[in-house]
Amino acid sequence: EAEVAQSPRYKITEKSQAVAFWCDPISGHATLYWYRQILGQGPELLVQFQDESVVDDSQLPKDRFSAERLKGVDSTLKIQPAELGDSAMYLCATSSQFEAFFGQGTRLTVV
Amino acid sequence: RKEVEQDPGPFNVPEGATVAFNCTYSNSASQSFFWYRQDCRKEPKLLMSVYSSGNEDGRFTAQLNRASQYISLLIRDSKLSDSATYLCVVNRGNNNDMRFGAGTRLTVKP
Repeated sequence: EAEVAQSPRYKITEKSQAVAFWCDPISGHATLYWYRQILGQGPELLVQFQDESVVDDSQLPKDRFSAERLKGVDSTLKIQPAELGDSAMYLCATSSQFEAFFGQGTRLTVV
Repeated sequence: RKEVEQDPGPFNVPEGATVAFNCTYSNSASQSFFWYRQDCRKEPKLLMSVYSSGNEDGRFTAQLNRASQYISLLIRDSKLSDSATYLCVVNRGNNNDMRFGAGTRLTVKP
């Protein structure tokens, strides 16, 4: 069964350092989402791509977060500099039409 | 006010109980609706889509009321394995924009 691949699974970083996450979507899925999920809360949309174009990044803290999907396939999410409050699960999801399929996520701990 | 709001929970029920979760959404242009299930420290997975006519999948029944902008999920004959967080998801339609509720945590006890 096709799946969304994310790496790394876990990341521990010191505050003020840079960190990057990678997502490889299900082949053919044009829509790609990055969500952040804090423990005990629902996923919060950070950025949405349609192919290589950003559709919605209104909730992305642009002073420190950036996301790209250069060829409309895989995507990277970067945080620089990381802050303690960035500790969370970062989920990538992709969709062909309606249903979203999630990767296993990257659990980030900022110390 | 959040765009998608759910019962905060947690719900603690005995095995065999019937439990219902509610969800409201604020964007009247929303086009499709889903319930996702998320196990502890795992990614969300689709449980079922929600149709205007209501739909059933085994012990699970989902209902949509567009006029009231309200979605529900009913679980009958709860099993221990139903313990999870249930996320209400609304697709706003334009650009396939999906928004999640905060989730309702269910614990089914023996």
